[in-house]
Amino acid sequence: QSVLTQPPSVSAAPGQKVTISCSGQNSNIGQGWVSWNQHLPGTAPKLHIYDNNKRPSEVPDRFSGSKSGTSATLGITGLQTGDEADYYCGTWDSSLNGWVFGGGTKVTVL
Amino acid sequence: EVQLVESGGGLVQPGGSLRLSCAASGFTFSDYGMFWVRQGPIRGLVGVAHINDDGTKTHYADSVKGRFTISRDNAKNTLYLQVNSLNAEDTGVYYCTRDRNGMDVWGRGTTVTVSS
Repeated sequence: QSVLTQPPSVSAAPGQKVTISCSGQNSNIGQGWVSWNQHLPGTAPKLHIYDNNKRPSEVPDRFSGSKSGTSATLGITGLQTGDEADYYCGTWDSSLNGWVFGGGTKVTVL
Repeated sequence: EVQLVESGGGLVQPGGSLRLSCAASGFTFSDYGMFWVRQGPIRGLVGVAHINDDGTKTHYADSVKGRFTISRDNAKNTLYLQVNSLNAEDTGVYYCTRDRNGMDVWGRGTTVTVSS
């Protein structure tokens, strides 16, 4: 069982918006910066959001992140078939002294 | 181009050992901490181990403490993971990642399969 809690799956039609929640505790999300990685099977994971809400330059602005208290959220607007992937939130946990991930959320474009 | 290339995975019997390597290029390796991350057969990522930039501090997931050892050779731009006393739960793809803005660069991974 993962330290951070994500929904197993979300789905929406092309062009629509999805949000993925990531719930944690004071020792992880409550204290630190949250990042989000996209993972397509058979490929290397790719950083999409860091420091809660910042995007690497190569990631489109359809992707956004936010954090409030011990929860974080990834938003994807203008959904495209190329966005179909697993998305993982992650952060450092000061109690476990290690990096923790959510269980991953599969995004499906209907 | 910033790149990480893992190697050393394979099929190993329960109780066996492997040494995974990660060759870094395109950046100053000694400036960054590094992680090993495992993806198991079922969807899910686990942060297995972390080492700081000069190799003096390490952290491990509870499930691998005492069995896995992370190390680095900054002169060779290489990260290592010695994995001992392997069991079925250690099966998966092992990625090395750079500790910057979370995990900003990932390798393509090397597969470890523990089976008799």
